[in-house]
Amino acid sequence: GAVVSQHPSWVICKSGTSVKIECRSLDFQATTMFWYRQFPKQSLMLMATSNEGSKATYEQGVEKDKFLINHASLTLSTLTVTSAHPEDSSFYICSADTGSGTEAFFGQGTRLTVV
Amino acid sequence: RKEVEQDPGPFNVPEGATVAFNCTYSNSASQSFFWYRQDCRKEPKLLMSVYSSGNEDGRFTAQLNRASQYISLLIRDSKLSDSATYLCVVDNYGQNFVFGPGTRLSVLP
Repeated sequence: GAVVSQHPSWVICKSGTSVKIECRSLDFQATTMFWYRQFPKQSLMLMATSNEGSKATYEQGVEKDKFLINHASLTLSTLTVTSAHPEDSSFYICSADTGSGTEAFFGQGTRLTVV
Repeated sequence: RKEVEQDPGPFNVPEGATVAFNCTYSNSASQSFFWYRQDCRKEPKLLMSVYSSGNEDGRFTAQLNRASQYISLLIRDSKLSDSATYLCVVDNYGQNFVFGPGTRLSVLP
């Protein structure tokens, strides 16, 4: 199946700093990528839809100025958590659209801990 | 009402047991349906797609009832390795996946 690589797999940062998470489609071009957040014992919640070459579409309640998304190429989308706070600590996962209309392919996830 | 709802769980079953998970969705226009499996601290992985005619993959059987907006997953002869959280996933349009809250399964020796 299609491969999506996410990096880093875990990161610890200080409050107030910014963290960038990368999501790459390794063997296909992804015009659309999705960013999810998952708090402990909860399901994945869609944060935003990232479209190559255009602005991301954010879900209600997600601050676009805090969670910056850049989808500069067909194989790379980045999520930057700006001015991170402890409440941003979570598991962030990306997925990519292969265009086949079937299953979603997920990155390995990034566990962010803000101290 | 949440868009996708699942049995709250957790389910604790002995090895060899048969266990069934239920899922309901609220959007009648939903197009595609899936069961994903998520191990602790890992990304979700596709277990199987769900079709109206029902489909089976080894010990796993998935059913979809569009009229009732209901999806099920049956696991026969449970293995220890089946312990995970099972996510019911609905695709409303394109690749806009909506995840259920998940049902945790623990298969006990």
